[in-house]
Amino acid sequence: AQRVTQPEKLLSVFKGAPVELKCNYSYSGSPELFWYVQYSRQRLQLLLRHISRESIKGFTADLNKGETSFHLKKPFAQEEDSAMYYCALGNTGNQFYFGTGTSLTVIP
Amino acid sequence: KAGVTQTPRYLIKTRGQQVTLSCSPISGHRSVSWYQQTPGQGLQFLFEYFSETQRNKGNFPGRFSGRQFSNSRSEMNVSTLELGDSALYLCASSVSGTSGNNEQFFGPGTRLTVL
Repeated sequence: AQRVTQPEKLLSVFKGAPVELKCNYSYSGSPELFWYVQYSRQRLQLLLRHISRESIKGFTADLNKGETSFHLKKPFAQEEDSAMYYCALGNTGNQFYFGTGTSLTVIP
Repeated sequence: KAGVTQTPRYLIKTRGQQVTLSCSPISGHRSVSWYQQTPGQGLQFLFEYFSETQRNKGNFPGRFSGRQFSNSRSEMNVSTLELGDSALYLCASSVSGTSGNNEQFFGPGTRLTVL
C-alpha cells in the first residue's frame, strides 16, 4: 500500500537554525515525490519535486530509496518559512498521496 | 493566467442532503483532481479526471462522485451527507496530470459543513 508519513505535526525552530522536515514513504514502485507548502491564507503550492533536484527558497530534499525518505532541509530558517508543509507521493497511476503535514514555526 | 477557481467557497448542509461543488481549472489544463482535507487525515485523494474520463479513484464510498465537462471544468457531488463529510474540498489542475512532470495547481477550496 502506498503511504506517506510525516511524523511531526508541529515543528518549531529559531531563526537562523537548520530545519529538517521528515517524510517517509511506502511504495513498491519508483516513486515521484514532492513537497507542497501552504502559507497562511494562501493556497497549497508546489515547493519542489525530487525529479528536478532543485533548491527552492533555500530548501532541498533528497530522495533516499534505501531509507524510503524524502526529508526537506534548509540550513538557515527564516521567519517567512513558517507554513504548513506537505510531503506527497505520485504513483504511476497518477494518484497522489499526501502526508498529514507538518506545521513549521520559525521563532524570531 | 487565472488560477484554479472553486465555487462556492462555503457551504452549510444538513445530514442526508446532497451537495455539488464546482472547479474551473487553469486554461489549457486537462487534468482535474479532487481532495478532501481534514485536520486529522490531511489531504486524501478522491478522484482525478482527464478529458472527461475518470482516470483514478481514491478510497472513498460511492456517495462521492464527479464528472468533467468538455471545457475541463469539473464537478464533485456528495450524496446523503454525513457529519464526517465536513471538510475542505480542494481541487487541483495540471496540464496532463502525469506525475513527476506536471505541477498541480490548487484552488482555494470549498469549506463544507454538515450539521
